[in-house]
Amino acid sequence: NAGVTQTPKFRVLKTGQSMTLLCAQDMNHEYMYWYRQDPGMGLRLIHYSVGEGTTAKGEVPDGYNVSRLKKQNFLLGLESAAPSQTSVYFCASSYSLGSYEQYFGPGTRLTVT
Amino acid sequence: KQEVTQIPAALSVPEGENLVLNCSFTDSAIYNLQWFRQDPGKGLTSLLLIQSSQREQTSGRLNASLDKSSGRSTLYIAASQPGDSATYLCAVPWGGKLIFGQGTELSVKP
Repeated sequence: NAGVTQTPKFRVLKTGQSMTLLCAQDMNHEYMYWYRQDPGMGLRLIHYSVGEGTTAKGEVPDGYNVSRLKKQNFLLGLESAAPSQTSVYFCASSYSLGSYEQYFGPGTRLTVT
Repeated sequence: KQEVTQIPAALSVPEGENLVLNCSFTDSAIYNLQWFRQDPGKGLTSLLLIQSSQREQTSGRLNASLDKSSGRSTLYIAASQPGDSATYLCAVPWGGKLIFGQGTELSVKP
């Protein structure tokens, strides 16, 4: 049981490049989330999904797209990276939002130059 | 709007001390409150989850309490150890997402 895994762990991009971050969970959770963490800003929700084939916007969705084609995977895409997207990205999953714990992945450290 | 605040932002204590971390929230209509630990450069590890119907949860040297009416939760760490050094975050689900506090950075000196 690996829990929540994220790929890659580190990445450096040039402005304008694109990339996809992959999150996978093996706990059969319905809900999955993408957060970014920045110094002084705390954790902010980018997008989330309440089930396979569904996605919804969080607090800071601009510049990102997501897809949930399979229940166990949640992809975060940056179509045209900007320096403001330099951050640590965390994926999380939970059985549901209300009374269940969220489990976090180890994070992806992204630098955009 | 739900806001979560953690005080203090940073705390340094000598090894062996008992300590309390504070978390406050503005909207008391919460399902639960979750405490996390984050080590430098790492992800978040869930420590304790208190349901809205509970007053306390315990795990080893950790004890978390919840007082919904006053909008407060505390995380009590007994007999602190250098290995407890980390950032501790609390979070509540609200409006379809988790709202996090800014965290308390704890340093336990040998």
